[in-house]
Amino acid sequence: EPEVTQTPSHQVTQMGQEVILRCVPISNHLYFYWYRQILGQKVEFLVSFYNNEISEKSEIFDDQFSVERPDGSNFTLKIRSTKLEDSAMYFCASSELAGSVDTQYFGPGTRLTVL
Amino acid sequence: AQKITQTQPGMFVQEKEAVTLDCTYDTSDPSYGLFWYKQPSSGEMIFLIYQGSYDQQNATEGRYSLNFQKARKSANLVISASQLGDSAMYFCAMRELKAAGNKLTFGGGTRVLVKP
Repeated sequence: EPEVTQTPSHQVTQMGQEVILRCVPISNHLYFYWYRQILGQKVEFLVSFYNNEISEKSEIFDDQFSVERPDGSNFTLKIRSTKLEDSAMYFCASSELAGSVDTQYFGPGTRLTVL
Repeated sequence: AQKITQTQPGMFVQEKEAVTLDCTYDTSDPSYGLFWYKQPSSGEMIFLIYQGSYDQQNATEGRYSLNFQKARKSANLVISASQLGDSAMYFCAMRELKAAGNKLTFGGGTRVLVKP
């Protein structure tokens, strides 16, 4: 069964460093998303991406964040200068269609720890 | 106001019994979808079941069923015949058709612990 994959599973970085989190969405999916979950808290939407551009972003997704689909399979989230409060689990998701009936499938997550 | 509310932070359930996880939502959009995800201790988010706002019947998926009461704006998840592997965090989520970018809004989750 096709699935969303994410690498690395765990990333430790120093405050102020840049990190890139990588995702390979399900191959026939057209819509891609990043969410984050701070430890013990709810899952929060960061950004959605379609047709090589951002469809929507939350207030969390400030200038320190960027997303890119560098080729036909990868979808990346870059944090330019990490802060302690960026420590969280980051989930990539993808969906085939848009609209309220479409299901988003999540990857296993990347746990980011900023020291 | 919270769009998705899960009032039960944690629950114990005896193995082989059924458990109901509460979820209420708030939206003015007539077209929306409600989703339940399972998050085991390993951290991944596993899609369980979906209910559309226009669906006439409650969704079912194996041991999972959704008790959809549209007038009350509730979408409770029922897990029948609980198994030890059902121990996890469960999240209710909603996507409104009018919401830009198809974003999902999640509730705070309910932790379920199945006792042998």
